[in-house]
Amino acid sequence: GENVEQHPSTLSVQEGDSAVIKCTYSDSASNYFPWYKQELGKGPQLIIDIRSNVGEKKDQRIAVTLNKTAKHFSLHITETQPEDSAVYFCAASKSTGKLIFGQGTTLQVKP
Amino acid sequence: EAGVAQSPRYKIIEKRQSVAFWCNPISGHATLYWYQQILGQGPKLLIQFQNNGVVDDSQLPKDRFSAERLKGVDSTLKIQPAKLEDSAVYLCASSTTGLTEAFFGQGTRLTVV
Repeated sequence: GENVEQHPSTLSVQEGDSAVIKCTYSDSASNYFPWYKQELGKGPQLIIDIRSNVGEKKDQRIAVTLNKTAKHFSLHITETQPEDSAVYFCAASKSTGKLIFGQGTTLQVKP
Repeated sequence: EAGVAQSPRYKIIEKRQSVAFWCNPISGHATLYWYQQILGQGPKLLIQFQNNGVVDDSQLPKDRFSAERLKGVDSTLKIQPAKLEDSAVYLCASSTTGLTEAFFGQGTRLTVV
């Protein structure tokens, strides 16, 4: 069935360092890969997304890479700040819109 | 632009009781989703509507869960009777179509005791 594996489950970095979260998806028909940030008591908020016809996308300190052959995609956050601390979820979707989420990564940025 | 509105924010009920959650999507969004997020896990889709029609309800426990989206706008998710394992955050999301960004509400935290 459809599945998304996400690693690591927790990640602790010093402020200013980089953070990398990796995901693997199972359904080769997936063509849309969003990343969501969820703060305590709030709903997930989209931070960046990538479609299957693109290998890399960057938005200021955040970048996402996609390897369709290996069915891997990754989130890269550079120059981390304390306000980046949150739970991050990757997801994969086909054209229907249904999102299959990973298990989440709790990122802690220490000042 | 107003976001996705959900109510109530919190609900505590006893097992075997019933409960209902309400969602008002972003204006003009044809697609509406209900997700269940158990503590420490990623959200899982329960049901997806396109206007007032059901697109996907394959993971909805239909013996106890029901959802409707009358007039293709607001939606209600109901659980009857509730079980302990239904304790979770219920998230509503909407998008213009199934191919665009989904915007999530703040969710309703349900505790079944």
